[in-house]
Amino acid sequence: GPKVLQIPSHQIIDMGQMVTLNCDPVSNHLYFYWYKQILGQQMEFLVNFYNGKVMEKSKLFKDQFSVERPDGSYFTLKIQPTALEDSAVYFCASSLEGQGERLFFGHGTKLSVL
Amino acid sequence: QEKVQQSPESLIVPEGAMVSLNCSFSDSASQSIWWYQQHPGKGPKALISIFSNGNKKEGRLTVYLNRASLHVSLHIKDSQPSDSAVYLCAVINTGANTGKLTFGHGTILRVHP
Repeated sequence: GPKVLQIPSHQIIDMGQMVTLNCDPVSNHLYFYWYKQILGQQMEFLVNFYNGKVMEKSKLFKDQFSVERPDGSYFTLKIQPTALEDSAVYFCASSLEGQGERLFFGHGTKLSVL
Repeated sequence: QEKVQQSPESLIVPEGAMVSLNCSFSDSASQSIWWYQQHPGKGPKALISIFSNGNKKEGRLTVYLNRASLHVSLHIKDSQPSDSAVYLCAVINTGANTGKLTFGHGTILRVHP
């Protein structure tokens, strides 16, 4: 079936550094998402992105976070600077439409901030 | 803010058993409800969704929605060891056209041979 690829699978960085998480969504999908999951806790919505713009973001999407998808390439989540509480697994997802369609998730990038 | 509660937290059943998972949500104006399956180290995979009151069957899965009681359940018939995973209930506000999912904490299912 359709696949969402996330690169890298694990990233370890020092607090205060910048990190970029990369996502290759399903090729014909139009809506893109980032979710955050801290170990043992529920998956939480961060942001969604359509037609080059952020449509909705949660309070977890701090000012240090940004997303973009330049020229139809990777959909990226950048955190600058990182903080200890940013340690989590970040899941990228995509969907063809935004109204109740199934989301296709990647396997996640585990971010460890030291 | 939408709240999604799932029960039980975990469940262990023998192979072949019927599994019943529960989910309650807070916003009656919703929305589609999705069930996702998540294996360790993997992303969630969509299984089945329901929008209208009543039930929907796909293969070994049946989902029941009761909007009046804000409750949805997922039933897995003839469970298999490969069904062992975390099952996530997720609510989506179709009216908002943003595709945003609100997840519950999940139910850990283990099916033993």
